[in-house]
Amino acid sequence: SAVISQKPSRDICQRGTSLTIQCQVDSQVTMMFWYRQQPGQSLTLIATANQGSEATYESGFVIDKFPISRPNLTFSTLTVSNLSPEDSSIYLCSVEVMGFATEAFFGQGTRLTVV
Amino acid sequence: KNQVEQSPQSLIILEGKNCTLQCNYTVSPFSNLRWYKQDTGRGPVSLTIMTFSENTKSNGRYTATLDADTKQSSLHITASQLSDSASYICVVSDINTGKLIFGQGTTLQVKP
Repeated sequence: SAVISQKPSRDICQRGTSLTIQCQVDSQVTMMFWYRQQPGQSLTLIATANQGSEATYESGFVIDKFPISRPNLTFSTLTVSNLSPEDSSIYLCSVEVMGFATEAFFGQGTRLTVV
Repeated sequence: KNQVEQSPQSLIILEGKNCTLQCNYTVSPFSNLRWYKQDTGRGPVSLTIMTFSENTKSNGRYTATLDADTKQSSLHITASQLSDSASYICVVSDINTGKLIFGQGTTLQVKP
């Protein structure tokens, strides 16, 4: 299993500012995943963060808007830049642990409200 | 079109009653199908994981079934408790991309 500490748990931010979300895992993992969950919607993958290389972004997400850092195998940050009300959402980090079946573990999520 | 569809979108039941949540998917081939419980303000927590060759998997009062022929899965909750109030998410792992495809979830409310 994996325990993920994500912070902040929630924040209210002004338009045009940025928010950086931190994710700490209690074990070393190769890949970390960042998701967005808009109200009433399913989780959407933003990007996959590998240690030592640039993150891989999904269609519709760009590095300038969602820069990601992955300085080591237990930590990652996601920044949501130039905030607008449309960015109000829950952001989650996740890791996958190999076993009989690969299992995903999630942080508690960061609820972002842009005003 | 969403490759993982869940029904109903929301459900209200009385404490102690049973309920069944449905998941239809088109993801093929897939490596496993998962059910997660997401409490309000929390991240999803795994309930069950089934590979394509498994038909059923239980975790306490939660029992998941999988029919790979019809591409359907269900999550049955027995003797519901107030703490079962949450969103339940069906997730299919795409074997080609390795990515997880999430359903929109079923919001369950258990009333006393």
